[in-house]
Amino acid sequence: NAGVTQTPKFRILKIGQSMTLQCTQDMNHNYMYWYRQDPGMGLKLIYYSVGAGITDKGEVPNGYNVSRSTTEDFPLRLELAAPSQTSVYFCASSYSTGDYNEQFFGPGTRLTVL
Amino acid sequence: TQLLEQSPQFLSIQEGENLTVYCNSSSVFSSLQWYRQEPGEGPVLLVTVVTGGEVKKLKRLTFQFGDARKDSSLHITAAQPGDTGLYLCAGDGPNQAGTALIFGKGTTLSVSS
Repeated sequence: NAGVTQTPKFRILKIGQSMTLQCTQDMNHNYMYWYRQDPGMGLKLIYYSVGAGITDKGEVPNGYNVSRSTTEDFPLRLELAAPSQTSVYFCASSYSTGDYNEQFFGPGTRLTVL
Repeated sequence: TQLLEQSPQFLSIQEGENLTVYCNSSSVFSSLQWYRQEPGEGPVLLVTVVTGGEVKKLKRLTFQFGDARKDSSLHITAAQPGDTGLYLCAGDGPNQAGTALIFGKGTTLSVSS
């Protein structure tokens, strides 16, 4: 049971380039999330999904896109990379009990845009 | 907008000392979670508190949920270097169980031997 896996671990992009951050979970969780973490700022939600085929915007969605074609996978797409997107990106998944929502995080992708 | 404020932002102590980290809000949360994050890794869930006034213990860590479910605290007894890391609190909104969590900015703890 690998949990939540993310690739790549590190990436450097030039301004205007595009890339996809991959996220896969093997826990059969229905909910998946993408966060970004900047120093001293905690975690900010980019997009989330409550099931295959359903996605919704979080707090900071601009410049990103997502898709959820399967329960396992939730890729995050950056179309035109900008320096403001330099950050550490975390994917998470959860299975809500209806009372609360415990999230399991991947190891993160450290992205630098130059 | 629901906000969670954590204090202190940074804490540097000696091995064996006790410490308390606070997580406060003006909003009510249906549940509150504490995560610990080590450098280069993702956050790892420590505990979830659901009931107002609830106290949970995890070895030397004691977590408390406020009676009004607006605040929480994490107390560490006899801190050890292995406790070093970023501690994050996160809350479910009162009608948002199952969707995104709201995270505090975190408390960076450094324990030296």
